[in-house]
Amino acid sequence: NAGVMQNPRHLVRRRGQEARLRCSPMKGHSHVYWYRQLPEEGLKFMVYLQKENIIDESGMPKERFSAEFPKEGPSILRIQQVVRGDSAAYFCASSPPYEGVDEQYFGPGTRLTVT
Amino acid sequence: SQQGEEDPQALSIQEGENATMNCSYKTSINNLQWYRQNSGRGLVHLILIRSNEREKHSGRLRVTLDTSKKSSSLLITASRAADTASYFCATGGRLDSSYKLIFGSGTRLLVRP
Repeated sequence: NAGVMQNPRHLVRRRGQEARLRCSPMKGHSHVYWYRQLPEEGLKFMVYLQKENIIDESGMPKERFSAEFPKEGPSILRIQQVVRGDSAAYFCASSPPYEGVDEQYFGPGTRLTVT
Repeated sequence: SQQGEEDPQALSIQEGENATMNCSYKTSINNLQWYRQNSGRGLVHLILIRSNEREKHSGRLRVTLDTSKKSSSLLITASRAADTASYFCATGGRLDSSYKLIFGSGTRLLVRP
């Protein structure tokens, strides 16, 4: 059973470009979470999605950031018109769809560098 | 502000010694989890303790939870060089229909061979 997969692992974008980060959850998992980690800091929650639904986006910046988890295919975190402050590691996690399971399984992350 | 705050921020010990890390949090929780992150890598789940539990063991790991003091500790016994990593506590569980985890800023552990 493959773990959570993220790609690309490293992404370099120039200011003003768009960044698209992909996350494939573990098999059988229908809950996906995105977190951002700045250097020397802990992870900050961004958004929680289920298939075709955004459940909690309280951690998402109001502008330029969007996330989706379509019926088919991976979850996508999209950052438009990137700025230097968007440089960070972005982690995706997934969990199964049933009650009582609170553990989240993390992917290896995508390290975004904005030049 | 952070829900969880780890203490100390950095810890350096000799191989074979025990390492203790503490975590404090602010609001009511459903559970508290500890994760490890090796440099430049993803997070590995270590242990989860629920709000109605006081202590939990997993191999060389021992976690305690004191809900009255809103604090938890992670003890790694007989440390090894391979334990060198950052350790994060995270509060989570289903609150307000969300399963999000709220992480502290971490303790960077260095185990010297």
